[in-house]
Amino acid sequence: GIQVEQSPPDLILQEGANSTLRCNFSDSVNNLQWFHQNPWGQLINLFYIPSGTKQNGRLSATTVATERYSLLYISSSQTTDSGVYFCAVGAQGGSEKLVFGKGTKLTVNP
Amino acid sequence: NAGVMQNPRHLVRRRGQEARLRCSPMKGHSHVYWYRQLPEEGLKFMVYLQKENIIDESGMPKERFSAEFPKEGPSILRIQQVVRGDSAAYFCASSPGTGSYVGTGELFFGEGSRLTVL
Repeated sequence: GIQVEQSPPDLILQEGANSTLRCNFSDSVNNLQWFHQNPWGQLINLFYIPSGTKQNGRLSATTVATERYSLLYISSSQTTDSGVYFCAVGAQGGSEKLVFGKGTKLTVNP
Repeated sequence: NAGVMQNPRHLVRRRGQEARLRCSPMKGHSHVYWYRQLPEEGLKFMVYLQKENIIDESGMPKERFSAEFPKEGPSILRIQQVVRGDSAAYFCASSPGTGSYVGTGELFFGEGSRLTVL
């Protein structure tokens, strides 16, 4: 099945810093989503982005489907950005399930 | 995300008991997915259902686990004779469907049901 790799696995930032999270996938996709799991365990939808670029406030994401990667940018990080960021993909031609990466654990210190 | 309703939020069972987890999809969504998250791990796909049909159960353990999505009412994930290794967070997601087997679009997750087996 499709493989999803996220990097880095852990990231520690000072408040106000910028960061880039990466998601590589092994096959063509028809769905790609970024999620934030907050310290209470809730999964928050960030982006639905099988291709192209989107921005939402301090967050933006870019997926280059032909090169099989996606990037999540966080600018001017805040302590509330802490948590785990997951990339999940749906394989083209597969069933509609999403396959999750192992996540990037982000800690933003004040 | 708040549109996908899961209950109970927390469930404690003793070994050998049954656990039933319920999921009501967002309004207008006809596709339901169940995922399991073990402590300190990512989410693992279990099963994908549409109304009265199991579409993909490739992630479901072969024994003790079952899922349904009846014509009326929520989707149910049932775990019989629970063991300590079943302790995990179980997440349900839903997506809009076209009425065919080819669903499209974004998945939205509920807040999860956290099962603890004593």
